[in-house]
Amino acid sequence: AQSVTQLDSHVSVSEGTPVLLRCNYSSSYSPSLFWYVQHPNKGLQLLLKYTSAATLVKGINGFEAEFKKSETSFHLTKPSAHMSDAAEYFCVVSVGGSTLGRLYFGRGTQLTVWP
Amino acid sequence: GAGVSQSPSNKVTEKGKDVELRCDPISGHTALYWYRQSLGQGLEFLIYFQGNSAPDKSGLPSDRFSAERTGGSVSTLTIQRTQQEDSAVYLCASSPRLAGATDTQYFGPGTRLTVL
Repeated sequence: AQSVTQLDSHVSVSEGTPVLLRCNYSSSYSPSLFWYVQHPNKGLQLLLKYTSAATLVKGINGFEAEFKKSETSFHLTKPSAHMSDAAEYFCVVSVGGSTLGRLYFGRGTQLTVWP
Repeated sequence: GAGVSQSPSNKVTEKGKDVELRCDPISGHTALYWYRQSLGQGLEFLIYFQGNSAPDKSGLPSDRFSAERTGGSVSTLTIQRTQQEDSAVYLCASSPRLAGATDTQYFGPGTRLTVL
């Protein structure tokens, strides 16, 4: 079975400070992992994805994530937060086999950025 | 180019009525997916299509829910005899094909359904 746990439902940071959004996963198979962002009244947008090519994945808008198999983690980071980063972030797992096509979403982390 | 579009953007209906939600995938995308986003359950997979066929319908919450896709393009999600617990945002996504777990799904803006 597959599952995703986002350890923080809310994260608040000041503009210009680092961002860390934590994600742990459970999977019966070697997973593909994604981070999506959802701005208010907008659709989900892909930030980055891990597909086993490299454990450190760089995405759009300065975000990156590191896949750590031993810790079953895929935390999202950004060195310096911007006001426009305020949104909800979802960690997502995908595997093949009988569940091909399904994405398994975490419950989301709401990021607030203070000026 | 144009992204995934969904209509209507908002739908308010009375309990017991039927509703149809429409999804237009990105042109040329053969795989199409439906998800539901609700406060209580988060984001849940409902169904996906490869072309016009739906290999996996197991995410549909009850037999009141059905979906079809015609011509390998537009899809309609139908909810019969709506209940208040059906209130949610229904998201549609598409991808160029369904070849593996690494495929990126591109999401539409969603349809917000409110059942009174």
